[in-house]
Amino acid sequence: DQQVKQNSPSLSVQEGRISILNCDYTNSMFDYFLWYKKYPAEGPTFLISISSIKDKNEDGRFTVFLNKSAKHLSLHIVPSQPGDSAVYFCAAKSGAGSYQLTFGKGTKLSVIP
Amino acid sequence: KAGVTQTPRYLIKTRGQQVTLSCSPISGHRSVSWYQQTPGQGLQFLFEYFSETQRNKGNFPGRFSGRQFSNSRSEMNVSTLELGDSALYLCASTPGSDYGYTFGSGTRLTVV
Repeated sequence: DQQVKQNSPSLSVQEGRISILNCDYTNSMFDYFLWYKKYPAEGPTFLISISSIKDKNEDGRFTVFLNKSAKHLSLHIVPSQPGDSAVYFCAAKSGAGSYQLTFGKGTKLSVIP
Repeated sequence: KAGVTQTPRYLIKTRGQQVTLSCSPISGHRSVSWYQQTPGQGLQFLFEYFSETQRNKGNFPGRFSGRQFSNSRSEMNVSTLELGDSALYLCASTPGSDYGYTFGSGTRLTVV
């Protein structure tokens, strides 16, 4: 049973516009969420994270929103750039001492110049 | 600051053989985790080591094992390789549980 779901396998956005990537989770014990970007033949690169005690976290062009009641989080990229084209993974973990990440299957973002 | 280094980058093995993959974490990171990435299953957690002790293990058969050395470098071993073990194996290190985990570039294992 998939505990972290990214229901959109792909997303295309025009350069300069907003990209919104979505992620749903089922495990109510998850309390820390992370977003990663991955290019082919490379390891995932950490982008941004959020703790369950917050509902928003910003870092430059990246903002993550967390809706605990809906068990939903989203990553906003504004403005989108062609270099943002990659696969984006949502990940979650539970417990302060947990080091195990549960990943979604990813969303491939294509930013069109 | 050097990142997470995984060796080798590519590996081709025959069914039934065994393989050992290596991971050198970022200096000062004592936690090292391993993940398997396949097209069908995505990224799946294998195990995590801290101070030479395995603390967490994912849902993989006993053919998958690992260890960590006193300098935090880690190895994972897969014995009796099967075709389904073909995957990208990723190692990640972190200084603590609520930090971003830094991944290496991975080892692409192909079993023929």
